[in-house]
This record gives sequence, structure tokens and C-alpha cells, in this order.
Amino acid sequence: DAGITQSPRHKVTETGTPVTLRCHQTENHRYMYWYRQDPGHGLRLIHYSYGVKDTDKGEVSDGYSVSRSKTEDFLLTLESATSSQTSVYFCAINRNTGELFFGEGSRLTVL
Amino acid sequence: AQSVTQLDSQVPVFEEAPVELRCNYSSSVSVYLFWYVQYPNQGLQLLLKYLSGSTLVKSINGFEAEFNKSQTSFHLRKPSVHISDTAEYFCAVGAMKTSYDKVIFGPGTSLSVIP
Repeated sequence: DAGITQSPRHKVTETGTPVTLRCHQTENHRYMYWYRQDPGHGLRLIHYSYGVKDTDKGEVSDGYSVSRSKTEDFLLTLESATSSQTSVYFCAINRNTGELFFGEGSRLTVL
Repeated sequence: AQSVTQLDSQVPVFEEAPVELRCNYSSSVSVYLFWYVQYPNQGLQLLLKYLSGSTLVKSINGFEAEFNKSQTSFHLRKPSVHISDTAEYFCAVGAMKTSYDKVIFGPGTSLSVIP
């Protein structure tokens, strides 16, 4: 158990609505990440954080924003969801060993 | 920026046969490398990693990978596969820039072990 929880685990929403996914860690680690997983693309980095209020863009950041006001929480927001954002979203932490530990994933469907 | 290529999207192999899953990377700085595995309907978990030192790294379930800096490769091998090895395998690379920052994944290789 890596001490990471994601919520919600499943969500169905409509195009144009805002969506926020939450990642919560219990271990007080500095680095947190949001990835999306799609068939044929593997995992693609959306945004990552290296501390409270310190975030940076990944490979596919367009259409997404993040916030980290507390060490334990890393929020991913889709301001206006589109069908192309239908995916499985994974949060991960880095325990300063280089290894990433992943949450169980959040499956988002945008109709 | 770093990138990862996994040329084989699907690899079918018979049980007890050897297998090699290929991974090549590009980076302008020194890197650290990983293989992650995702079993059906599960999350990702680390299989093995190279941070420094010996270029040959091994996992507890018989997989091994060798870091080849000149060929920018980190291929994964197993001399004899089992049905339970059926899974998606992802190669990942991180840049040793300042600390552990962004980690980039390849598109994955689906390994199917045939009885």
C-alpha cells in the first residue's frame, strides 16, 4: 500500500462541464504526478508537482490545470471536459528513490 | 527533454520460451531507467530499475534488463516465461537533472504468453 488514494474512481460527465480529480497521499512526499493512460499511448505525463504551489507541465498539459495547496493533495482540473479527455487517470508519488508509486486510477468518461 | 521508444506493441510468445522486450530512450542528460508492469485490470508496479552502478539489473521473478549507454537501450529479458507473465510492460526514463523530476513512459508492450 503506497498511501495514495484517488477520487472519484469512476466518473461520467458531459462535454463542457468542469471536472476535478483528487489525489491524496499520506506519506508527505515532495513529488507528485498526474498521468493519463490510453491504448497505444501508454502513460503520458500531464502535470507534476515538486512542492506546495510548485508545479510544471508535462507532455499533454493542454486542457488541464493542477493545484497543490497542501503537501498531501494534488488536484487535476479539466475546466471544460471534452470527449478526447476520456481516459484513465493515474496519480503517482516519488519516494525519493526514483521509483513511482501509483494510485488505483480514476476512469473518466466524457459523453 | 527525454523520450522513450518501445518498438514492439505486442509480443506473443509460447510458455517456457525466452522473450526480449525492447526499449530505447533519448536524453540530453544522464538518465535513470525503469520497467513497470501492469497486469490485467490492475495498476502499475515497478519491475526493476537502473539508477547507477552495475548495468545489469534483475527482478525477483526472473526478469533482467541491461543499461547500454552507447546504444541508449534498456531491453528487458526473461529466459523462460510463464503464463502469469502475461501483462503490459512499460519502459520509463527520468532525467538526473536536479533531482527526481518528470518521468516519461513509453507506449507499452503487451506480452501474451501462449500455453
